Amino acid sequence: AQKVTQAQTEISVVEKEDVTLDCVYETRDTTYYLFWYKQPPSGELVFLIRRNSFDEQNEISGRYSWNFQKSTSSFNFTITASQVVDSAVYFCALSEALFNNAGNMLTFGGGTRLMVKP
Amino acid sequence: EAQVTQNPRYLITVTGKKLTVTCSQNMNHEYMSWYRQDPGLGLRQIYYSMNVEVTDKGDVPEGYKVSRKEKRNFPLILESPSPNQTSLYFCASSPTGVEQYFGPGTRLTVT
Repeated sequence: AQKVTQAQTEISVVEKEDVTLDCVYETRDTTYYLFWYKQPPSGELVFLIRRNSFDEQNEISGRYSWNFQKSTSSFNFTITASQVVDSAVYFCALSEALFNNAGNMLTFGGGTRLMVKP
Repeated sequence: EAQVTQNPRYLITVTGKKLTVTCSQNMNHEYMSWYRQDPGLGLRQIYYSMNVEVTDKGDVPEGYKVSRKEKRNFPLILESPSPNQTSLYFCASSPTGVEQYFGPGTRLTVT
């Protein structure tokens, strides 16, 4: 069975600090997708990134970067120069669905609440 | 505008009173699913559907029913709600079963 662990339940930083959110996953499949979602205080889920298991290249998008390491089953998310607007709950998720016909199943971690103080 | 809509957005009800949360998508997606979000547990899948008239259980289906009579709609039915079903519910749709497009969420309180 697949599992996603976000060990950090809450992180508090001061604006402009860098912060890394950890995500560790378990899967028996060799082919899978990993995701990060942001949930701001308004409650909606905002898609941030999708990474497939074949592609271990790190990705950078503005102040956001992602470090995918299959050897340690981790998919960590770093925010550089954090801002108050980054305050949210961040979820890491895993999907094997396309490859095991599980039909649309995303397994989420428990989420990390990030608080960025001015 | 491509979107997933849910209604109602907020609902307070009493134990045992049947309710339906509607979900509709306008993207012609085949896959749809329901998740519930609880503190510390992330989101857990309740039911999913791979096409019209094709539905199956997710991780936490007890106490819920769904139907998929039309491609665009995937209502979630609570026949006899109980307080442990108080949660934030998300509907999602997907063209491939991988990337998910989430609705805005429905906050349900059962007293």
